[in-house]
Amino acid sequence: AQRVTQPEKLLSVFKGAPVELKCNYSYSGSPELFWYVQYSRQRLQLLLRHISRESIKGFTADLNKGETSFHLKKPFAQEEDSAMYYCALIEGGKLIFGQGTELSVKP
Amino acid sequence: GAVVSQHPSWVICKSGTSVKIECRSLDFQATTMFWYRQFPKQSLMLMATSNEGSKATYEQGVEKDKFLINHASLTLSTLTVTSAHPEDSSFYICSARDPISGSYEQYFGPGTRLTVT
Repeated sequence: AQRVTQPEKLLSVFKGAPVELKCNYSYSGSPELFWYVQYSRQRLQLLLRHISRESIKGFTADLNKGETSFHLKKPFAQEEDSAMYYCALIEGGKLIFGQGTELSVKP
Repeated sequence: GAVVSQHPSWVICKSGTSVKIECRSLDFQATTMFWYRQFPKQSLMLMATSNEGSKATYEQGVEKDKFLINHASLTLSTLTVTSAHPEDSSFYICSARDPISGSYEQYFGPGTRLTVT
């Protein structure tokens, strides 16, 4: 059963537009969720985690237990935000990744 | 921050041969490392969890005799693809967890591109 779902394979927006990358999860108990980003030709790196409640590079993500969602948002997208974004959940000490969403920010 | 390296960054081998990929934690000791496989613009699929000093734990559907994992020290885990076939061609990524950090955050290596001809 898919435990982390990212319904959009590709999301294309114009520079300055708001962006929301969707992530839904299936987990009993209190989940520990992350967003990872992979820029072109670079390694996967942590963007943010829900327990920190931080904003990194203008991105925020709020855990909504009622909707079992952890959507990633940014009010004004920049071209340098173009990358693959992965939502991930910790289960049994292992990271379970969603399918990933490619964000393309056009000038 | 914590750094994980992989070697080689890319390798081409002939069908039937074996290939070893190294994963090192450069500035921390990692009791646990993970090996993933990634297809182009697709998700990372966890292959196995590598534990220092003990046998690796493989995910369902991953052949342990084909993908040999050795975690002989606190800074090195190796993945050996034995009797490689073209369908083993993929991007292999390792990650490591820093036990001192107290979190489940994983630090990822840059990946190794394997092409089997």
